[in-house]
Amino acid sequence: QQQVKQSPQSLIVQKGGISIINCAYENTAFDYFPWYQQFPGKGPALLIAIRPDVSEKKEGRFTISFNKSAKQFSLHIMDSQPGDSATYFCAARYNQGGKLIFGQGTELSVKP
Amino acid sequence: ETGVTQTPRHLVMGMTNKKSLKCEQHLGHNAMYWYKQSAKKPLELMFVYNFKEQTENNSVPSRFSPECPNSSHLFLHLHTLQPEDSALYLCASSQSVGNEQFFGPGTRLTVL
Repeated sequence: QQQVKQSPQSLIVQKGGISIINCAYENTAFDYFPWYQQFPGKGPALLIAIRPDVSEKKEGRFTISFNKSAKQFSLHIMDSQPGDSATYFCAARYNQGGKLIFGQGTELSVKP
Repeated sequence: ETGVTQTPRHLVMGMTNKKSLKCEQHLGHNAMYWYKQSAKKPLELMFVYNFKEQTENNSVPSRFSPECPNSSHLFLHLHTLQPEDSALYLCASSQSVGNEQFFGPGTRLTVL
């Protein structure tokens, strides 16, 4: 079964707009929720991460919102730029063993 | 060389061939990982090595055979693959299992 569900599969946003990507999980054994950014021809790179005892984390234009009771978390990209066009993956880490479970990915395209 | 490097970047092989993928990390990490990335699917963890010892095999078919001679190098030996094995194979490393993972650029494998 899919342990981390990510939506949408693809997203088109105008330059300057807000990009929002959502993830949901079911397993309460996760203790860390990172987001990865992947450009074509590159491996994924850690973008921003949050722990479940925090409801929001902001780094520059990127914000994670975390709702522990709903088991959902989302990535918001403010003032989206064409350079943000990439595939974004959410992930969740097991508190035992540290294994990462990834979502399916969201292909973001920011139009000039 | 810095970070995590993978060779070759592209590989085309027949179903009866034997080939190997190589990964090298220059970060002084102790844990290394193999992932399979298929289109529109989550990254699938294949193997985990910690201090050269395999700690996880995620039910990977035996036609994939990993080797970790030291903490800096990781190989994936391939033999009698199937067309459905065509994918991007990503290597990652981390200071220890559970810490932030750093990914290589991947090897794009096509099985004919």
